[in-house]
Amino acid sequence: QKEVEQNSGPLSVPEGAIASLNCTYSDRGSQSFFWYRQYSGKSPELIMFIYSNGDKEDGRFTAQLNKASQYVSLLIRDSQPSDSATYLCAVINAGGTSYGKLTFGQGTILTVHP
Amino acid sequence: EAQVTQNPRYLITVTGKKLTVTCSQNMNHEYMSWYRQDPGLGLRQIYYSMNVEVTDKGDVPEGYKVSRKEKRNFPLILESPSPNQTSLYFCASSLVQGLSETQYFGPGTRLLVL
Repeated sequence: QKEVEQNSGPLSVPEGAIASLNCTYSDRGSQSFFWYRQYSGKSPELIMFIYSNGDKEDGRFTAQLNKASQYVSLLIRDSQPSDSATYLCAVINAGGTSYGKLTFGQGTILTVHP
Repeated sequence: EAQVTQNPRYLITVTGKKLTVTCSQNMNHEYMSWYRQDPGLGLRQIYYSMNVEVTDKGDVPEGYKVSRKEKRNFPLILESPSPNQTSLYFCASSLVQGLSETQYFGPGTRLLVL
């Protein structure tokens, strides 16, 4: 089992819809969770991070964390064609020899069509 | 401007010819890391450094070397490149590798080993 798993997609949504991206992780020692966006041929850029159970909102983006289910998601409201990119989920382990190690999922390709 | 720079951005080489990819950051960050990105596999950590003269292996260190003689620089060395090291490489840095620290990524180096 991979440490961080994402559906590779592609996920296709119409413009204006809500895009829902999901991520599961296997290490219960994980404490912080990050969502990065990566445009084709570019470097990843941070969208949001979350470390408390529940929802965290920032503009059109909402991150949701459920540590009991080891599940983190990213919702993008009012999706725009400019949101078309690969979204990477990443987690940081909080203990042991892996303290501070950032582990990425394989990424979900999102396409927003007009 | 705060940034992480990598050089070269593109490199074509042949099997066995030693090469170095440079990485430099101007943000006085302690933590630096190298990743490789391959289709379907996401970002995988090669090596990381917590500070000057402190380096450690990531998930896929075989065939790579690093050094951290200065805080701002973290070069990646391929002593004898092989075709399976053809990949997109990213350098990243952060102030510390803590639970909420953002990693800043360089623009990437696309390497082709023939």
